[in-house]
Amino acid sequence: DSGVTQTPKHLITATGQRVTLRCSPRSGDLSVYWYQQSLDQGLQFLIQYYNGEERAKGNILERFSAQQFPDLHSELNLSSLELGDSALYFCASSELQGPGANVLTFGAGSRLTVL
Amino acid sequence: AQRVTQPEKLLSVFKGAPVELKCNYSYSGSPELFWYVQYSRQRLQLLLRHISRESIKGFTADLNKGETSFHLKKPFAQEEDSAMYYCALSGISGSRLTFGEGTQLTVNP
Repeated sequence: DSGVTQTPKHLITATGQRVTLRCSPRSGDLSVYWYQQSLDQGLQFLIQYYNGEERAKGNILERFSAQQFPDLHSELNLSSLELGDSALYFCASSELQGPGANVLTFGAGSRLTVL
Repeated sequence: AQRVTQPEKLLSVFKGAPVELKCNYSYSGSPELFWYVQYSRQRLQLLLRHISRESIKGFTADLNKGETSFHLKKPFAQEEDSAMYYCALSGISGSRLTFGEGTQLTVNP
């Protein structure tokens, strides 16, 4: 599959715990984005990486962190989880320049439930 | 700051009727506007972008800089158009997309 792959698809955990969400971008894309989608809210931009470097930061909590590795996969780490962190977390990738820039290819999302 | 507003969370029309999904934006520079769509059990995907000036699945959208709007229109809605539609904005090339809250379109038979 040359699209964006996210794991796990579903995750249930308890408050105070820490989880890691993983994303493999579409083949050839160097830019990775993370978005959060909570109930009754749209897609909230969290963070963007390009070729291993942080490029833009949105409304990402200090309890959250991310990184992009040399093989271009990215991980989003969520710690000290709270009930309000329950959401669908999307990863997307794109080219950085050229006609494909700003055209995001999305993964299927990781649904996090915090109990 | 960039902001996208979709005033309607839910929109319901009958098959064959015209449909318009509203999108307004605020951005100080020259934005690029998009419509993304998520069909049931499918991934969020690009529907169209204003610079392409294309009609995709019968949908069109015109960027109106004076009204800062990018409404999505289709003259004759089909049942398969039922989906969640997101308007999105980007500033400079390669920068993040800011999404609206989305409009759930239901096309009734």
